[in-house]
Amino acid sequence: AQKVTQAQTEISVVEKEDVTLDCVYETRDTTYYLFWYKQPPSGELVFLIRRNSFDEQNEISGRYSWNFQKSTSSFNFTITASQVVDSAVYFCALTVASGTYKYIFGTGTRLKVLA
Amino acid sequence: DSGVTQTPKHLITATGQRVTLRCSPRSGDLSVYWYQQSLDQGLQFLIQYYNGEERAKGNILERFSAQQFPDLHSELNLSSLELGDSALYFCASSVAEGRNTQYFGPGTRLTVL
Repeated sequence: AQKVTQAQTEISVVEKEDVTLDCVYETRDTTYYLFWYKQPPSGELVFLIRRNSFDEQNEISGRYSWNFQKSTSSFNFTITASQVVDSAVYFCALTVASGTYKYIFGTGTRLKVLA
Repeated sequence: DSGVTQTPKHLITATGQRVTLRCSPRSGDLSVYWYQQSLDQGLQFLIQYYNGEERAKGNILERFSAQQFPDLHSELNLSSLELGDSALYFCASSVAEGRNTQYFGPGTRLTVL
């Protein structure tokens, strides 16, 4: 069975601080895909990134970066120089290339960036 | 804008009633997923359709049902509504299944009084 754990329920930082959101996943499949979504206060879910299990390269997109480590089954998300607009709930998700086609979501991490 | 549309945006109804939520996937997407997000809860997968066929079921109550039509839009029917059904209901779509990225609609906020 697949599982995604986001142990940090809520994080508060002051603007311009860096912050890392943790995501630990479990799967026995060798081919799988990991995702991050952002849910701002307005409620919609915004896709941020998709990573497959064969690509361990870290990715950077502006102030966002992702660190994928198969050795620790983690796919962590770092926001550099956080801004108030980054305040949201962030979800990590996992799906595998075979089976039931379900996405397994973590419980989310609420990030509050204070001015 | 993800390209996935959901109607209505808000719905207020009474216990015991029945409602239908509608979802139109992104152009070209064949797969539709439904999720429920209760207050301060994570995303609970309900059901998935691919090209008109049911493909996966999650924690969907027997009072709930869904279908995907030939034009690929989907409807989620909720009946005998209870207070606990109040939640944000999301639809997502993807090109195919499994590994493809899901793009989410804006959600329908259901309030049962």
